[in-house]
Amino acid sequence: DVKVTQSSRYLVKRTGEKVFLECVQDMDHENMFWYRQDPGLGLRLIYFSYDVKMKEKGDIPEGYSVSREKKERFSLILESASTNQTSMYLCASTRVDQPQHFGDGTRLSIL
Amino acid sequence: GNSVTQMEGPVTLSEEAFLTINCTYTATGYPSLFWYVQYPGEGLQLLLKATKADDKGSNKGFEATYRKETTSFHLEKGSVQVSDSAVYFCALRRPELTGTASKLTFGTGTRLQVTL
Repeated sequence: DVKVTQSSRYLVKRTGEKVFLECVQDMDHENMFWYRQDPGLGLRLIYFSYDVKMKEKGDIPEGYSVSREKKERFSLILESASTNQTSMYLCASTRVDQPQHFGDGTRLSIL
Repeated sequence: GNSVTQMEGPVTLSEEAFLTINCTYTATGYPSLFWYVQYPGEGLQLLLKATKADDKGSNKGFEATYRKETTSFHLEKGSVQVSDSAVYFCALRRPELTGTASKLTFGTGTRLQVTL
């Protein structure tokens, strides 16, 4: 079974902090994704990566950056956290033309 | 552009009732269609999928048929259980054959609550 592991289930940070969310997958997938999930809005794509060091903006990249130095790890970075970034963050990975596999999510609160 | 529209929830049903969650889509070409389920406190899991018109995806008693003429992929189950309580997301994947082909467009999700 594919395993997508997000480093934290719950995280509380302060406004202005730099925040790192980590995601690791164990199936050698090329593609990895970061979404945020908000009530009434569903999942919105922040960034994705289709290879090491390759990244593309999703639908809502503002205020975020990403890093993919190794194939199995995809990090989401909030450069200067703000309260409107309080949300559930979901990581996913996949091989091309296969369904996405999701982690359990990180619930991030920015105070 | 591509979009997915789901019926708004929450949907509240008694155990053993029949379930339908509507999903319609807008896309160019022939997308693949998916239903994902999110149980409380967890990430999303693939429930079922269909990759071409008239395909029927099924899993755990749930079914959905890819209807190109009505651009729909409605989720159905004949008899729901309390353990089916979750949020259900309809999604499409565009048919481009590129490195970004795995991008999904999600609906807003429909919460299902099943009571005894």
